[in-house]
Amino acid sequence: DQQVKQNSPSLSVQEGRISILNCDYTNSMFDYFLWYKKYPAEGPTFLISISSIKDKNEDGRFTVFLNKSAKHLSLHIVPSQPGDSAVYFCAASAGSMYSGGGADGLTFGKGTHLIIQP
Amino acid sequence: DGGITQSPKYLFRKEGQNVTLSCEQNLNHDAMYWYRQDPGQGLRLIYYSQIVNDFQKGDIAEGYSVSREKKESFPLTVTSAQKNPTAFYLCASSARLNTEAFFGQGTRLTVV
Repeated sequence: DQQVKQNSPSLSVQEGRISILNCDYTNSMFDYFLWYKKYPAEGPTFLISISSIKDKNEDGRFTVFLNKSAKHLSLHIVPSQPGDSAVYFCAASAGSMYSGGGADGLTFGKGTHLIIQP
Repeated sequence: DGGITQSPKYLFRKEGQNVTLSCEQNLNHDAMYWYRQDPGQGLRLIYYSQIVNDFQKGDIAEGYSVSREKKESFPLTVTSAQKNPTAFYLCASSARLNTEAFFGQGTRLTVV
């Protein structure tokens, strides 16, 4: 059973517009969420994170929104640039430093392939 | 430079052979992880280690083994018992369990 779901395998956005990537989760114990960006044949790189005590976190062009009641988070990229074309993974953890306990490793979604068109 | 290093980048193995993938970090991180990525799949956790001399099975540990004798090293052995070993393997580390993880560049293992 998939605990972290990214229902859009791919997303195409025009350069300069806003990219919105979505992620849903089912485990109510998750309290820390992360977004990673991955180019082919490379390891993922950390982009931005949010803890369950917040509903928004911003870092430059990247903003993550968390809706705990809906168990939904989204990553907004604005404006979108050609270098943003990559696969984006949503990840979640239960028992992070924010809740003081450890559980296991991060649980990842299947990823969304973002394509920025010129 | 601080970072996490996986070697080799590409690895070929004959069926029935064990093979060990290397992962080294000089970030002084306590926690280390091994993930596997297959086409159309997310990253799936194989094993993780919270501290030296301790490790736990992840979601798909069957056919794999690990050791954590040193803080900076977390090698993964893909044994002949692993039925579908061809995949892209990613090692990661984090300061503590479940904080931001930093990934290596990955090892692509192909069974021939």
